[in-house]
Amino acid sequence: DIQMTQSPSSLSASVGDRITITCRASQSINNFLNWYQQKPGKAPKLLIYSVSSLQSGVPSRFSGSGSGTGFTLTISSLQPEDSATYYCLQSYITPKTFGQGTKVEIK
Amino acid sequence: EVQVVESGGGLVQPGGSLRLSCVASGFSFSNYWMSWVRQVPGKGLEWVANTNQDGNEKYYVDSIKGRFTISRDNAKNSLYLQLNSLRAEDTAMYYCARDRSALDYWGQGTLVTVSS
Repeated sequence: DIQMTQSPSSLSASVGDRITITCRASQSINNFLNWYQQKPGKAPKLLIYSVSSLQSGVPSRFSGSGSGTGFTLTISSLQPEDSATYYCLQSYITPKTFGQGTKVEIK
Repeated sequence: EVQVVESGGGLVQPGGSLRLSCVASGFSFSNYWMSWVRQVPGKGLEWVANTNQDGNEKYYVDSIKGRFTISRDNAKNSLYLQLNSLRAEDTAMYYCARDRSALDYWGQGTLVTVSS
């Protein structure tokens, strides 16, 4: 199975800050990398698919980049409503596998 | 509007069985792969299984192989997950999601608790 390693596991930042979350795959996953946001008590929400494509309705402050085994999710100007846990998901090889999550808190 | 709604969760004893259901609307269900994903309370996400458009391809995570079975009824726009030989470690919220490689639409989940 492909292992997905996210870092950091948590971070605290101020409104307006630029933050970056990293996801590293144990082998190449081409462009089959997706990012999700999950708020407490809610289902995950797709933010980014295929590394850098923004899901419909997602604010443009979210962006994704990377290739091969290394990927990043960037929030260009952190907003209070971005407080959540973020997960990456590789969908290149079955079983699909998630990163362990990054909890983002607002200072 | 795309919607998926899960049901069928509950409290079950170890070794017991449950059948989870997911009803989809707002899209042509028979044209899409569908997946189940679970989440232990307070923990991360684990993809469990998926099936192709007509249900003749099915894939599972190793931890549930031989115990869980995914199926679908396109006439009813429904996806199912049969859970057998349940263990305490199967306690989780189970989500149904449309599978376009990315899992793009999710339900709110149904909670399965395995406890005596």
